[in-house]
This record gives sequence, C-alpha cells and structure tokens, in this order.
Amino acid sequence: TQLLEQSPQFLSIQEGENLTVYCNSSSVFSSLQWYRQEPGEGPVLLVTVVTGGEVKKLKRLTFQFGDARKDSSLHITAAQPGDTGLYLCAGGSNYKLTFGKGTLLTVNP
Amino acid sequence: DAGITQSPRYKITETGRQVTLMCHQTWSHSYMFWYRQDLGHGLRLIYYSAAADITDKGEVPDGYVVSRSKTENFPLTLESATRSQTSVYFCASSGTSGITGELFFGEGSRLTVL
Repeated sequence: TQLLEQSPQFLSIQEGENLTVYCNSSSVFSSLQWYRQEPGEGPVLLVTVVTGGEVKKLKRLTFQFGDARKDSSLHITAAQPGDTGLYLCAGGSNYKLTFGKGTLLTVNP
Repeated sequence: DAGITQSPRYKITETGRQVTLMCHQTWSHSYMFWYRQDLGHGLRLIYYSAAADITDKGEVPDGYVVSRSKTENFPLTLESATRSQTSVYFCASSGTSGITGELFFGEGSRLTVL
C-alpha cells in the first residue's frame, strides 16, 4: 500500500495569513489529487496534478507536484474563513486511490 | 435530483445486527467506491466496483459485503456489525479511472454500533 503523509495535521491561522500544507510519500504517483472536505459533507475535488514539477493555480490556491512525483504542496495566499476545512491529498497508480489523513485548517476572522 | 445520494444519513444499531447502507448515483458512472473515514486513519477504501456485477476488495474489506446489480446502485452491507465498524461511510463515483478521474462523494452515512 502506498502511503501519503500530510503535514501539518492541524493548522489554525488568522484571516489574511499565508500557509502551505504538504503531502509526501516515498512512492512515485502517476498523479495526485487535492480535495477539500467541510464538516458534514463529502470531499470535493480541488485539483489534479499529473506532471512532475507542475504548478496549478485556483484563485488564491497554488498547487505544486514535486519533480519526482512523490510529493505535493498546497499554498493558500491571504487565507479567508471560507477556506476552513479538511484538505486531503490522494494518489494512486491504479483506480484505487490512497488518501492522506488530511490537514485540518481553521481560518479565524 | 442529479448526483450521488446516500441513505440513511445517520444510523444507530447494535452489535451483531445486519446493516445496509445505500448509495445511488444518477450520472451512470462506471466506477463506484465505498470509503470509511475515522479519526487518525483518514479515508480508507472498503470496496470498489468498475461496472455492474464487477466488484473488488479495497484496503479494509473484512466484515463488509457489496453488490452491484445495477450501474446506479452500490449498497454496502455489514453482515454482523461490530463496534469497530462505527464510522462515517462515504460512497463515491467516477466516470473514469480513479487515476486522474474526479471522485464525486456523497454526504456520508454516520453509523454508530452500540
């Protein structure tokens, strides 16, 4: 089983701050996905990265896939309370995705 | 309404009882999945299905049974519930392979086994 380690597990910041969360593995992934999950709901896909070194931007969120395709990061600029949620990375070399345990982000007004 | 729906949303049962969690999707997606989400473990795959009548085990299949007689439905049955199966269960579907295909999740079914 391929493992994905996410850090930090918990992050509490003030509105307007920047932050980065990480997703690391010792295995190579053909692609990585990032999901956000809000309380009482299922995860929702934010982005998929497939090429080593790839950078994707989604408004204030920047996603990067490591050159060796073993790690990924999510950077949020000027965080807002609406960014609060559980951020999950997921990867897999077949159609059985493996999820990290997630980073629980709280953005305080 | 279009989408993926799970029922029941909340269920309390007793040890040893059989419980079935239902999942229905309206997109005609080929792939369907059952995950459980627990503190400290994240999302773990229980079973998945690539098409009607095709199912396979995931990471934590013991104690669970699935079937997929129709493309749109993918029920999960706990044949004899145990306390360790207390969890939040998520059904998901995908129109393409999970490698790059998006998973669409239901809202979850919170199961408590007393």
